[in-house]
Amino acid sequence: AQTVTQSQPEMSVQEAETVTLSCTYDTSESDYYLFWYKQPPSRQMILVIRQEAYKQQNATENRFSVNFQKAAKSFSLKISDSQLGDAAMYFCAYTGTASKLTFGTGTRLQVTL
Amino acid sequence: GAGVSQTPSNKVTEKGKYVELRCDPISGHTALYWYRQSLGQGPEFLIYFQGTGAADDSGLPNDRFFAVRPEGSVSTLKIQRTERGDSAVYLCASSLIPLVSGANVLTFGAGSRLTVL
Repeated sequence: AQTVTQSQPEMSVQEAETVTLSCTYDTSESDYYLFWYKQPPSRQMILVIRQEAYKQQNATENRFSVNFQKAAKSFSLKISDSQLGDAAMYFCAYTGTASKLTFGTGTRLQVTL
Repeated sequence: GAGVSQTPSNKVTEKGKYVELRCDPISGHTALYWYRQSLGQGPEFLIYFQGTGAADDSGLPNDRFFAVRPEGSVSTLKIQRTERGDSAVYLCASSLIPLVSGANVLTFGAGSRLTVL
């Protein structure tokens, strides 16, 4: 079974600074996708960024980028120029052949002035 | 609809009661997923529908939990003889095609918070 591990329960960053959230995963599959989701207090999970395992190039979406290290099974999220609206729970997630998402336990990101 | 709609937003019930949670997915989305999110945890998979049929129900914790999607759109998650441990946020998500393609993504609803007293 696949597992996703987020070892940082909470992180804090100052507005306009950069923060990196860590995620590791375990799988025996060769073809899979990794995701970062954001969950604000409204509870609705919002897709932040997606990475396809067969792609070498790290995904980027505006201020959000990932560092995907396939051999190390690591998938970290970098948020640049942090904004107050970035404060939320962030979940790393995996999907492979099973057609369902497996989530980590989440990292709570605080953004301070 | 424009998004995934879940009702009720909040439900408080007593131990032993029966509960139904409803999910109205995005129009045209064939795949529908239910997840359970306990306090301080990530969402855990419960069941996945492709059309009207349950393609994978391996996440349902026991036979008190059941879900249906009779016409391939709206789904209802049913919990019998509720227990305090069932308290959680129940999230529904839909996608145009199943996740196995990977290129597709899930759109989540805001969840139903169930509290069992």
